[in-house]
Amino acid sequence: DAGITQSPRYKITETGRQVTLMCHQTWSHSYMFWYRQDLGHGLRLIYYSAAADITDKGEVPDGYVVSRSKTENFPLTLESATRSQTSVYFCATKGTEVYNSPLHFGNGTRLTVT
Amino acid sequence: QKEVEQNSGPLSVPEGAIASLNCTYSDRGSQSFFWYRQYSGKSPELIMFIYSNGDKEDGRFTAQLNKASQYVSLLIRDSQPSDSATYLCAVYSGGYNKLIFGAGTRLAVHP
Repeated sequence: DAGITQSPRYKITETGRQVTLMCHQTWSHSYMFWYRQDLGHGLRLIYYSAAADITDKGEVPDGYVVSRSKTENFPLTLESATRSQTSVYFCATKGTEVYNSPLHFGNGTRLTVT
Repeated sequence: QKEVEQNSGPLSVPEGAIASLNCTYSDRGSQSFFWYRQYSGKSPELIMFIYSNGDKEDGRFTAQLNKASQYVSLLIRDSQPSDSATYLCAVYSGGYNKLIFGAGTRLAVHP
């Protein structure tokens, strides 16, 4: 049972390029989330999705785009990468059976923008 | 003021001692609180959750919640070197769509 799979695990890109980080889940959880983690800031929510075709902004959405055409996939796109977007990105899910349930995290993608 | 605050540490404790990790939050309406452990280079993993005032015990871990003081803590008894990690406090804030994390406290357990 893979649970949550993020790809790629590591990515190096150049400033100004578009890059997409993938997140795939096998649990059929309704909610999916994207966080970034930087030293001194902890985990910060970028975007979340309550269901297919329903997305909303988190704390730090600028410079990012998301889509969710299928329940199992929640890609995060950096349309024009900047050095400040160098970070570790985590995808997470939760089901809706219990509204206040915890999140389950993928293994993360380490993105470096040069 | 940050929504969820933790001391960054490092908190250094000897093996076998009790480690006490603290967290404060700003949203008085918050009802659900979580502690995650994160080893270096790994993803966060849930170790405890607490929804009611008081103590909740699970093995060597005890979570304590005081909603009046907007304070949640995690005690680790009989600390082991394998407990050395960063501990993240998380709180649902403004509803149940956004889980907000503190910056984490780094715990170092030395033999």
